[in-house]
Amino acid sequence: SQTIHQWPATLVQPVGSPLSLECTVEGTSNPNLYWYRQAAGRGLQLLFYSVGIGQISSEVPQNLSASRPQDRQFILSSKKLLLSDSGFYLCAWSRGEKLFFGSGTQLSVL
Amino acid sequence: KNEVEQSPQNLTAQEGEFITINCSYSVGISALHWLQQHPGGGIVSLFMLSSGKKKHGRLIATINIQEKHSSLHITASHPRDSAVYICAVSLAEGSNYKLTFGKGTLLTVNP
Repeated sequence: SQTIHQWPATLVQPVGSPLSLECTVEGTSNPNLYWYRQAAGRGLQLLFYSVGIGQISSEVPQNLSASRPQDRQFILSSKKLLLSDSGFYLCAWSRGEKLFFGSGTQLSVL
Repeated sequence: KNEVEQSPQNLTAQEGEFITINCSYSVGISALHWLQQHPGGGIVSLFMLSSGKKKHGRLIATINIQEKHSSLHITASHPRDSAVYICAVSLAEGSNYKLTFGKGTLLTVNP
């Protein structure tokens, strides 16, 4: 079956600390991969998407970066977190008409 | 102006009622999605539409491309349907799953 794993579920980090969120997909190959952020009271915003290994497109200038070291692995990173990076981060994958979301990571930057 | 507008923002219903959530968009699209987000944040894709109507159990989704409008209907609503329902569109000129999202409709179904 096709599944998507995202961790951790919650994370509290101090301002200026690094970040690494990981997402892995099972049961499919060569998926499109996505990182979204959902700020409180706002809709989902696309941060990054990837159509293949090493191919990353950024939608919004920001303090974050993404990498895809393997076909089914997508990583969201930051060298130094800002308060404004707080939010709910969702990983997703798609192939054809299939679209699946991870369970999300609630990030609080203090 | 947001490219995807949903109404209502909040909706409270009694168990058994027929529910309609609306979505309007202002640009050409290749597809429209209805998503369900439960407390705790997980999102499930309910439908992907490019024309016409789709039905799955008690859920029905319709789209009118000319009017740039879609509706999600829930028949015989149940408390377990309580969730945020999100409309999202794939823009016609964009890659297939670069979705633009509405802000969601919070549905509460009371027993």
